[in-house]
Formats: sequence, structure tokens, C-alpha cells
Amino acid sequence: KQEVTQIPAALSVPEGENLVLNCSFTDSAIYNLQWFRQDPGKGLTSLLLIQSSQREQTSGRLNASLDKSSGRSTLYIAASQPGDSATYLCAVIGGSQGNLIFGKGTKLSVKP
Amino acid sequence: EPEVTQTPSHQVTQMGQEVILRCVPISNHLYFYWYRQILGQKVEFLVSFYNNEISEKSEIFDDQFSVERPDGSNFTLKIRSTKLEDSAMYFCASSVWQGGDTEAFFGQGTRLTVV
Repeated sequence: KQEVTQIPAALSVPEGENLVLNCSFTDSAIYNLQWFRQDPGKGLTSLLLIQSSQREQTSGRLNASLDKSSGRSTLYIAASQPGDSATYLCAVIGGSQGNLIFGKGTKLSVKP
Repeated sequence: EPEVTQTPSHQVTQMGQEVILRCVPISNHLYFYWYRQILGQKVEFLVSFYNNEISEKSEIFDDQFSVERPDGSNFTLKIRSTKLEDSAMYFCASSVWQGGDTEAFFGQGTRLTVV
């Protein structure tokens, strides 16, 4: 059974720092991996999608990498800003119907 | 930009009552999903729906839950007899699902509170 784990559970950094969020999954047979952002009490906003054949994807200050064989992904946020404060969720598609399996998330706080 | 919309944003119901949560997926998407997130816990998959039938469901999706696409645009989740433990945020999602190159889009969620 696929399990997704995210470390750390919470992270507090000063504005301007570069930071890395980690995600690991137990079964390397995934279709893709998706990173989401969730603001308190809100929905899920898709940030990046990495297909299983890809190594990384970039969008603005965000870069996500995927090492399928070791079951790991990282989300790199450059020059963090207070507006980046949110919970970041990692999810993999493991099933044939496209359903996602989520980690518990990393709660990021960027202090001005 | 197309988006998934959910209504209501918040619903309070008495234990034992039936509730229907509504979603309008993105129009050209073919796969529809319901997920839930109990406060402080992971987002959990409930059910996927394709071609007017359930394509996959989790252990959580027992007989008290049902889904329906009553017309060409709406996708609903019905909870027949709500329990206190059904209190959670319920998310609808949709995708075109063509294997790896498929992004899932989520609605803003319905917060269900059972009292």
C-alpha cells in the first residue's frame, strides 16, 4: 500500500531564505507526483506536476525534483516571501483511475 | 481560467440527517473525484467516477456514501445518515486523466460540520 511522508511537518524561516521541502513514497510505481499549496481553511492549488519519466519541473521560484527509484521528491522554494506561508502537500498517483495519495503536508511560515 | 466549483462552502447538519455536496467539474474533464480532509489529518481519497459510474473507491466510501452525475455539469456526493466523524472538509476534483501527463484540479471545498 502506497504511503507518502513529508518532512519536516513544520518549518519557520526568515524572509529571503531558500528552502527545501521533502516528500517520500514507499512504492516507486507511480504515474506522476503533484505538489499543492493549501492556505488555512481553503482548497488545494496545484503548483507543479512531475511525470514519472521526468526529473524536475520549474515554475517561477519553485523547482520540484523527482527521484522515482529512491521514492523521493523535493520542492525547492527560492527567495522565500511571507506570501509563501501555507501548507505544502505532496501527492502521487498510484492507481489506474488517477486518484491521488497525499502526504500530511509541511506547514511553512515565512517571517518578514 | 476554468475551475472546479463546490457548493455550499460550509454546511452544518444534525447527526443522522442526509446531506448532498455539490460540485461542477471543469467542462472537458472526464474523471471526477471526491476527497475528504478531517481537521489536522491527511487528504484522503474517497471515490473516482468515470463514464457515469464509480471506477474506484476507498475503504472509507461505505454504503452511507453515494455519488451521482445528475446532469451534464453537476457531480454530487450524498451522505445518507451523517455521523459526528463525517465532519471534515470535502474536496471535489476533476482531470482528463491520460496517464502521467494529467493534472488534477481541486475545488475550494465544502466544510461539513455534523452536530
